[in-house]
Amino acid sequence: DAKTTQPTSMDCAEGRAANLPCNHSTISGNEYVYWYRQIHSQGPQYIIHGLKNNETNEMASLIITEDRKSSTLILPHATLRDTAVYYCIVVPTSGSRLTFGEGTQLTVNP
Amino acid sequence: GAGVSQTPSNKVTEKGKYVELRCDPISGHTALYWYRQSLGQGPEFLIYFQGTGAADDSGLPNDRFFAVRPEGSVSTLKIQRTERGDSAVYLCASSSRGLSTGELFFGEGSRLTVL
Repeated sequence: DAKTTQPTSMDCAEGRAANLPCNHSTISGNEYVYWYRQIHSQGPQYIIHGLKNNETNEMASLIITEDRKSSTLILPHATLRDTAVYYCIVVPTSGSRLTFGEGTQLTVNP
Repeated sequence: GAGVSQTPSNKVTEKGKYVELRCDPISGHTALYWYRQSLGQGPEFLIYFQGTGAADDSGLPNDRFFAVRPEGSVSTLKIQRTERGDSAVYLCASSSRGLSTGELFFGEGSRLTVL
């Protein structure tokens, strides 16, 4: 599976957009980009995933560059409850597992 | 509706003892995963079941670890001769069709402490 690189930590002001980057320069054509988050003392929670087109759901937007070597997760109006570790994961379409890295600790400040 | 349920939520045991951790997946979910998470690290894959069979057990660290899912629903992770290094949060997840649906539903985990 392709390796991902994320910043260790980021801060965001409440009510502002949080933009979380992920580098996956070795991604291949049959690999999806998944995003999960983990709030302290809880299990990970699915956010969104995509292959090459940008995706949006009620939680977030996923922007994937045209060359697919990087992506950005956007939380449009961050709240204090969005404080969590965010994981960017690359998985083959035939994959059977998620391989978590260390993720980005996002702290939303009042 | 009920999510993934894991019991016990906390388990403290002594080195060398045997431990069982239970996972009740979301009803009807055929895929079930076990992960473990050490402090400050991301979850680490252990094993994946599709129905009753282990489709991928390559993440089990050694033969002290074993998992079963005899009726394709509840799963038990069994750890023999526990060691202090086994201390971690053990997470269970389920999915209606496995990773192809894009979404795994995780439980809140069982925290194991080996003294």
